[in-house]
Order: sequence, then structure tokens, then C-alpha cells
Amino acid sequence: EMQMVESGGNLVQPGGSLRLSCAVSGFTFSNYAMNWVRQAAGKGLEWVSRISTSDGSIHYADSVRGRFTISRDDSRNILYLQMNSLSVEDSATYYCAKEPTGGLVTRGQGTLVTV
Amino acid sequence: QTVVTQEPSLTVSPGGTVTLTCASSTGTVTSGYFPNWFQQKPGQAPRALIYSTSNKHSWTPARFSGSLLGGRAALTLSGVQPDDEAEYYCMLFYGGAQPWVFGGGTRLTVL
Repeated sequence: EMQMVESGGNLVQPGGSLRLSCAVSGFTFSNYAMNWVRQAAGKGLEWVSRISTSDGSIHYADSVRGRFTISRDDSRNILYLQMNSLSVEDSATYYCAKEPTGGLVTRGQGTLVTV
Repeated sequence: QTVVTQEPSLTVSPGGTVTLTCASSTGTVTSGYFPNWFQQKPGQAPRALIYSTSNKHSWTPARFSGSLLGGRAALTLSGVQPDDEAEYYCMLFYGGAQPWVFGGGTRLTVL
């Protein structure tokens, strides 16, 4: 069964840093692009970042570009999101999402970041 | 900046049929936007329902269907059940620097 477990969320001061992790199992992690999606309390979903597979191409939402860094460790089946220069606007629950062809799939309960 | 627009709220009676739509500020939504639909109930994580316009995940109930309708992506719920009361989000693919964009969500009330 596919599992994606997010962790690393915490309470942090503005300007601080956090590293989120997403440990996956139940599918061949290295075969899929992966994404981070976030949701501020009482707000809608927001796509944050994407990392592809073989060529490692990376994309970021304008709101986080230059402050967040996505990466992956295919040997450990873990997706990361390094978040620097955090602001109040970054407070949200962060979900990782697998990207099979044509869509995104979430599985975990997310990890809460409070700035 | 690309904007994806959904109805803020809709109400449907149990057993009825309702269609939610998803529009793009760039114009007509086609299959090339790979429309996705997610369901989110209060206090829960979002769950993917539909991908690539009309494809269902293995866990998607048969009463949910996706399509293109009048230049928009659409999610139709047939034989609505009280358990379908939730927030529904569409998501479109634009490629480029920011490949995926979510709509603002539709709050569906079953009443």
C-alpha cells in the first residue's frame, strides 16, 4: 500500500528555517516526480514545488522561490523541503504529493508549520 | 498571474446531481491542462478523485465523473450522498515555471 508520511513541521520564529521530510513506501519512488502542496488554516490548496525524476528539473511557486529548496534522496525514498527566511505567510499544513502521469496524489496527513 | 476559478459554494439535495466547474484565466480548458479534482472534508487531508480530465483513481466512487464542459473542466456527482459534503478543489497543469495551479475550491453542501 502506498504511504507518504510528512514530518518536520514545527513552530518557528519569522526569519527562521525548517526542513520538511516526506518518507514514502509502497511504490518505486525514483520513478515519479514529486511535489509539495500547502494549505494555510481555513484557506485553499496551494502548489509549492516540484522535482522531477531523471533530469532533476525543479520548479517553485513565486511565493517561495529563492527561499525554499526541494530535493530528493532516491536511495532512502525521502522527499525534502528546506524552508529558509520563513514568514507568517508560510504558516500552513504541508503535504507531499506523488505525480503519476496527469495528476497529483496525496496520501499523508501533512505536517504543520507555524511561523 | 494565472487564476483558476471555481464556484465558491453549491448546494444539492441527497440523491440529486450536481456539476462543479473549473475555469482558467487563460481561456478554454482542454485535456492538455490535465484537470484534476480533489475532495477535502473538514479536518482531513485532500484526496485525489479525478486526474487527466476524466480518469478515476482506484478509490474514487463511481458516482463521481470528470469531463470538459463549455470550455471548463467539470466534476459531476450523481446520486449525491450526505457523505459527499466537502470542499472540492480543481487543479490545472500549465507547465512552465509553475506547472500546477489550484482553484479556490467549491464548498458543496448536501441539504
